[in-house]
Amino acid sequence: GQQVMQIPQYQHVQEGEDFTTYCNSSTTLSNIQWYKQRPGGHPVFLIQLVKSGEVKKQKRLTFQFGEAKKNSSLHITATQTTDVGTYFCAGLNDYKLSFGAGTTVTVRA
Amino acid sequence: DGGITQSPKYLFRKEGQNVTLSCEQNLNHDAMYWYRQDPGQGLRLIYYSQIVNDFQKGDIAEGYSVSREKKESFPLTVTSAQKNPTAFYLCASSMGRGGTYEQYFGPGTRLTVT
Repeated sequence: GQQVMQIPQYQHVQEGEDFTTYCNSSTTLSNIQWYKQRPGGHPVFLIQLVKSGEVKKQKRLTFQFGEAKKNSSLHITATQTTDVGTYFCAGLNDYKLSFGAGTTVTVRA
Repeated sequence: DGGITQSPKYLFRKEGQNVTLSCEQNLNHDAMYWYRQDPGQGLRLIYYSQIVNDFQKGDIAEGYSVSREKKESFPLTVTSAQKNPTAFYLCASSMGRGGTYEQYFGPGTRLTVT
């Protein structure tokens, strides 16, 4: 079955530094969505990527969809304490959305 | 104030008892979903419904049941047949078929079965 893998599982970042989290699928995806879940909260939609090679930016967050539509990345620049939480990718294949296990981000002030 | 509500926030039950988790949305969304979240495992789909009076099993439907009698409501029953029911349960809705549209999540219900 379709699997979406995310790495790393945990990311400990110094405030002000950059980091990237990666999402890989065993199958070609129709699109990919990214969600953020703050500690004790629920997932909140961030963005959706549909086209091969697509790049979208939201302030300090840059999202990419791979050329083969099998992988995606989220890059955060100048990390802030507000970036703390778990970031999930979710890939769509054959009308089924599969979530990765998430990357949990902690920030050292 | 549009959104998804789940109740209760915390639920405690004894082993062997069925329990029903509530999920209501006023977003006029056609599709609704139930996910289970365990530490380190992301979100796993239990059941989903794309229209009233219709629903499909997700990846981990065994031990769970749902109904969709109204567009606004999609209750989940955790039956005594579910071997490891203690988890965080999230309800979500979307305008259309999941993955094509963003999903809106409720605040979740944390179920503890002892």
